[in-house]
Amino acid sequence: DTEVTQTPKHLVMGMTNKKSLKCEQHMGHRAMYWYKQKAKKPPELMFVYSYEKLSINESVPSRFSPECPNSSLLNLHLHALQPEDSALYLCASSQDRQYTGELFFGEGSRLTVL
Amino acid sequence: EDKVVQSPLSLVVHEGDTVTLNCSYEVTNFRSLLWYKQEKKAPTFLFMLTSSGIEKKSGRLSSILDKKELFSILNITATQTGDSAIYLCAVEASDSWGKLQFGAGTQVVVTP
Repeated sequence: DTEVTQTPKHLVMGMTNKKSLKCEQHMGHRAMYWYKQKAKKPPELMFVYSYEKLSINESVPSRFSPECPNSSLLNLHLHALQPEDSALYLCASSQDRQYTGELFFGEGSRLTVL
Repeated sequence: EDKVVQSPLSLVVHEGDTVTLNCSYEVTNFRSLLWYKQEKKAPTFLFMLTSSGIEKKSGRLSSILDKKELFSILNITATQTGDSAIYLCAVEASDSWGKLQFGAGTQVVVTP
């Protein structure tokens, strides 16, 4: 069982909806990540939080809004998405940004935008 | 621009065969190369290779890093059906901690 928990596992939303993806870890990790993975493609980095501060934003459109309320939680707020945003969204954590090799991934949230 | 290329894209082998997966990379200020296994959803960490650790082994899996020729190999010996997965290679640069660039992956299917 993964130690990074993501909810919901599946989400279907319309282009005018507002929804959120949630991620939680209790390993004491101080770096958390959002990745986007399209079918048959590798994961692509979206955001990195280090010690609850946004440290990397890979030029992600503003319709995706990350939030890190505390060191255990990471949210991704979604608003006015497009059908091409449909993908598997993976959350990950590591002890620190310096220890990326030991990334622990959640099982992902499968998002479908209609 | 940094680049990670994996080959082959896919392969099918019989149980007991040995599999060799390749990953070549171009990255400025190389820091580490990582291998992950992705079965259904979450990628799981296999190995990390750096300048100070160019060879790793765990059970039937092993990996080497050639920093001169800029490639890595992942070997799986005595394959089992449970080894069926996508194997992802990723590199990290020392000036962008926390940012992994993944290759397209190699899909391995092990048949009984």
